[in-house]
Amino acid sequence: DTAVSQTPKYLVTQMGNDKSIKCEQNLGHDTMYWYKQDSKKFLKIMFSYNNKELIINETVPNRFSPKSPDKAHLNLHINSLELGDSAVYFCASSQSPQGPYEQYFGPGTRLTVT
Amino acid sequence: AQSVTQLDSQVPVFEEAPVELRCNYSSSVSVYLFWYVQYPNQGLQLLLKYLSGSTLVKGINGFEAEFNKSQTSFHLRKPSVHISDTAEYFCAVRDYSGGSNYKLTFGKGTLLTVNP
Repeated sequence: DTAVSQTPKYLVTQMGNDKSIKCEQNLGHDTMYWYKQDSKKFLKIMFSYNNKELIINETVPNRFSPKSPDKAHLNLHINSLELGDSAVYFCASSQSPQGPYEQYFGPGTRLTVT
Repeated sequence: AQSVTQLDSQVPVFEEAPVELRCNYSSSVSVYLFWYVQYPNQGLQLLLKYLSGSTLVKGINGFEAEFNKSQTSFHLRKPSVHISDTAEYFCAVRDYSGGSNYKLTFGKGTLLTVNP
């Protein structure tokens, strides 16, 4: 019973392509997040949705577009992929965006752009 | 803005030795503090958290951490490590001083390597 799941786990693609990563949580949480982890393991928040409303929109290229069709799903679409987009992308969820609530992370999607 | 410093990027230790992973944060406002662990090729999972009350918190797998408000620190400790503790450890902080602060600020991580 996976709490936060992501598909695909691995994604290898060429520069210039468009790709999507999907995330689903079955915890009943209101808030979901996308993080990017680079090769040095540094975690950077990209986006967050609370009840389908965008609440965090960090400085990322506008080639990245999140979409939350409902509270349990948060997808990430990336246009015109570049070499620098290669990273591990983590989805996470929490009960609320504020307060003492921890975030639950998915297993990650390793994106390799060639 | 809040920042989190993990003073050691790598900590090698021998099995059964004690270990301390250090974490300092910048802002002295009211905070919630977390330690996460990331095993190789996996997502992050929560080890422990400090919300309020006793400054010594215990987590999973025998880890504990001590909150020190005056030093703005939240160091993680384990008295005797196992090979299976080899992983990346992240300290994270969230302010709750008011306003709409939604971000959990992470440190850059400490790679703990336990050698036989």
